[in-house]
Amino acid sequence: GIQVEQSPPDLILQEGANSTLRCNFSDSVNNLQWFHQNPWGQLINLFYIPSGTKQNGRLSATTVATERYSLLYISSSQTTDSGVYFCAVGGNQGGKLIFGQGTELSVKP
Amino acid sequence: GAGVSQSPSNKVTEKGKDVELRCDPISGHTALYWYRQSLGQGLEFLIYFQGNSAPDKSGLPSDRFSAERTGGSVSTLTIQRTQQEDSAVYLCASRPPWGAKGYGYTFGSGTRLTVV
Repeated sequence: GIQVEQSPPDLILQEGANSTLRCNFSDSVNNLQWFHQNPWGQLINLFYIPSGTKQNGRLSATTVATERYSLLYISSSQTTDSGVYFCAVGGNQGGKLIFGQGTELSVKP
Repeated sequence: GAGVSQSPSNKVTEKGKDVELRCDPISGHTALYWYRQSLGQGLEFLIYFQGNSAPDKSGLPSDRFSAERTGGSVSTLTIQRTQQEDSAVYLCASRPPWGAKGYGYTFGSGTRLTVV
């Protein structure tokens, strides 16, 4: 099955700093999504991005499907950005997603 | 409803007992997924329902686990003869028809299951 690796596993930032989170996957995918799990456990969908680039406020994501990786950029980080960021991929559109182990981000005031 | 609703939010059960976890997806969402998350771990896929198609059960860890989705809406995940290793947060997600109204999966708040 598809393998998903995320890096770094942990990241500590000072408020206002920028960061880049990476997701590598082992096979071609038709579905790639980024999620944020807040400290209370709620998972929020950030992006559906099997290829190309998208931006939403301070967050943006880029997927280079031919090279099997995706990047999530967080600019001007805030304490509310803390939590775990998951990359999830699927071989079929709309089917099951395979999740990486996540990057745990802590933003300090 | 406005979001994916899961119940109960917490469940403590004795080893060997059966448990039922419920998921009420967003109205109009045709796809429904169950995942579980052990402490400090990523999400493990369990089962996926899409409309009237046969469910994808490839993630169910043993025959003690089963799930059904009645009327294309509410789903119940049943764990028989619970074991301590079943302790985890069980998460349900739903999704609208692919492409018609977006692609994002919406997760519920989960059921935290503790087997003692």
